This record gives sequence, C-alpha cells and structure tokens, in this order.
Amino acid sequence: GAVVSQHPSWVICKSGTSVKIECRSLDFQATTMFWYRQFPKQSLMLMATSNEGSKATYEQGVEKDKFLINHASLTLSTLTVTSAHPEDSSFYICSASDANYGYTFGSGTRLTVV
Amino acid sequence: ILNVEQSPQSLHVQEGDSTNFTCSFPSSNFYALHWYRWETAKSPEALFVMTLNGDEKKKGRISATLNTKEGYSYLYIKGSQPEDSATYLCAFDSGTYKYIFGTGTRLKVLA
Repeated sequence: GAVVSQHPSWVICKSGTSVKIECRSLDFQATTMFWYRQFPKQSLMLMATSNEGSKATYEQGVEKDKFLINHASLTLSTLTVTSAHPEDSSFYICSASDANYGYTFGSGTRLTVV
Repeated sequence: ILNVEQSPQSLHVQEGDSTNFTCSFPSSNFYALHWYRWETAKSPEALFVMTLNGDEKKKGRISATLNTKEGYSYLYIKGSQPEDSATYLCAFDSGTYKYIFGTGTRLKVLA
C-alpha cells in the first residue's frame, strides 16, 4: 500500500529559529501534497496545497512567507516554519494524493516553540 | 506496532441507501477516537470525537458508535445523499496529539 513518511515526528525549537518538516511518498508519486495543522481539540485545518513543480496554494489566513512549502519532486514536499513563535506550536500533518491510492497521510509532526 | 484500519477502503452506494463503515484501533492507551469527513482539497471536517466505551453520537443522518474494549467504531449514514460523497477518516488518539489515522473509507453516492 501507499506509504507517506513524515519527519521529524516531533521537534522543539527556540523562538526565532526555522524548522523544516519533510513529507515523502515512499512507493508512489504524489503530484499533490497537502499540509494541515491542528491545534489541541480542533479539527485538522488545511494550510496549503503543494503541487509538484509549481507554487503552493495557501488557504486564507495562512502566511505564505512564514510557512514556506517546496515540492521539488514527485516524492518530496517540505514545509519550513520560518522565525517560529510559540503560537506556531501545533501538530502539522501532510498527506499525499495519488490517482491509485487516494489520500495517504504522514504520521504528523508535533512542533513546540519555546 | 499501532495500527488503525478502516474498511471498506471504498464503496459506492445508491442515493437513499444506508451504509456503514468500520474503524478498528488499538484497545490499549485509548484516549479518543476521531471521525472526519473529508472532501477533496478541503479541510477534513470533524464529525465526532468519541471518548467513552458505548458512546453513540449523532449528527443529522450520520451516527457513530464506539467499543473501546474490542477496539472498533462504526460510522453509519442513513439515506445517503450525493453530498455525502467524501472520504471518511478515523483517527486514534492516545492523548499525545500524535494521532494514528486510518487510511479512510472513500464513499461515492450515486444519484
């Protein structure tokens, strides 16, 4: 079956630093990847849609300069949280889309900014 | 290895039919079981958060039950409508915020 690997599973960083999260499709090519964020007791919220070889599409209210998304290949998308602040502490999860497998999620990244 | 399984992987039903899906999850370290309804390229919509064994929750034509002892939850849709077409996702929550998601059940309701 389709597998999406997301790393790291958790990260603690200092305010003002940047953190990169990787989302990799292991056994299929993902033309589209989605990045979600979930705050405690809230639903997963779509942050952006990442298309291979083109600019990501950001949802309303998501700062594109703060959450840099790169989808340079059919198997890898990265989300970089730049100049992180405590309010960015959240659970980030990606999912990858493939015509055969539909949507496959990564296991998520718990970000804590101190 | 913790595993969350959903079945069936996909199904097609006729408008007006009732249907149900299964989410199987670990029976240990249980905190909550989440059900989501997810339409393509949209934010998954939280349907239910199930926490207590024997819970039964209802939202319109959709309902869900929970059995934490045997590790399963059922999601029921009564009188399916085309707008119900979506992927229904469950997620096992052990209280660490690192959810273990099922791969979803893709429902297509044919008019």
